[in-house]
Amino acid sequence: SYVLTQPPSVSVAPGKTARITCGENNISSKSVHWYQQRPGQAPVLVIYYTSDRPSGIPERFSGSNSENTATLTISRVEAGDEADYYCQLWDSGKNLWVFGGGTKLTVL
Amino acid sequence: QVQLLQSGAEVKKPGASVKVSCKASGYTFSSYDINWVRQASGQGLVWVGWMNPNTGNAGFAQNFQGRVTLTRNSSTSTAYMEMTSLRFEDTAVYYCARAGIGYQYYYGMDVWGQGTTVTVSS
Repeated sequence: SYVLTQPPSVSVAPGKTARITCGENNISSKSVHWYQQRPGQAPVLVIYYTSDRPSGIPERFSGSNSENTATLTISRVEAGDEADYYCQLWDSGKNLWVFGGGTKLTVL
Repeated sequence: QVQLLQSGAEVKKPGASVKVSCKASGYTFSSYDINWVRQASGQGLVWVGWMNPNTGNAGFAQNFQGRVTLTRNSSTSTAYMEMTSLRFEDTAVYYCARAGIGYQYYYGMDVWGQGTTVTVSS
């Protein structure tokens, strides 16, 4: 199995835009999902199918995909967005799930 | 509402086995795979395996193949993960999470259990 490449940490001031990346060869041809995990809680799906938001997830959360990098963008960052974020994809050729290593978002 | 409810914390000795349950409610159990994901303290999410409740078919991450068994009781909408030959490094929180059968590519894991802490200690 393999692990998608994420930066260990990203810091951003409140009200600014945070961008968290997820690297994998030719990821632009794949569907990427993103999860938010607050301390002591289970992960929550915030983006599916690269750029779609589940109901209840604020519009401030968006996703995109280009060549070898998928990006989770959080606009107008709030203190409550401070959490760990994980990217994920389904490897349909091998029937297995792959996670990124996770990125800790710190709101300054 | 849609929910996955997991069994309580476990403490096991090295070499022992543990069986964690995940009871589904609020949706059709047979329509979604049940996945298992673990997280050691301060570490990232690691996918363990998936099981199709319809067929009983399962798939595993290479590191867990042969040591993890996934089963289900469809009459009670409950999935189980059993791990054998436990090691200290298996100490972690174990989550179950559902993913639409045939739709994993599109929808991800949209509902998660609350997690079960498994501690391996002598």
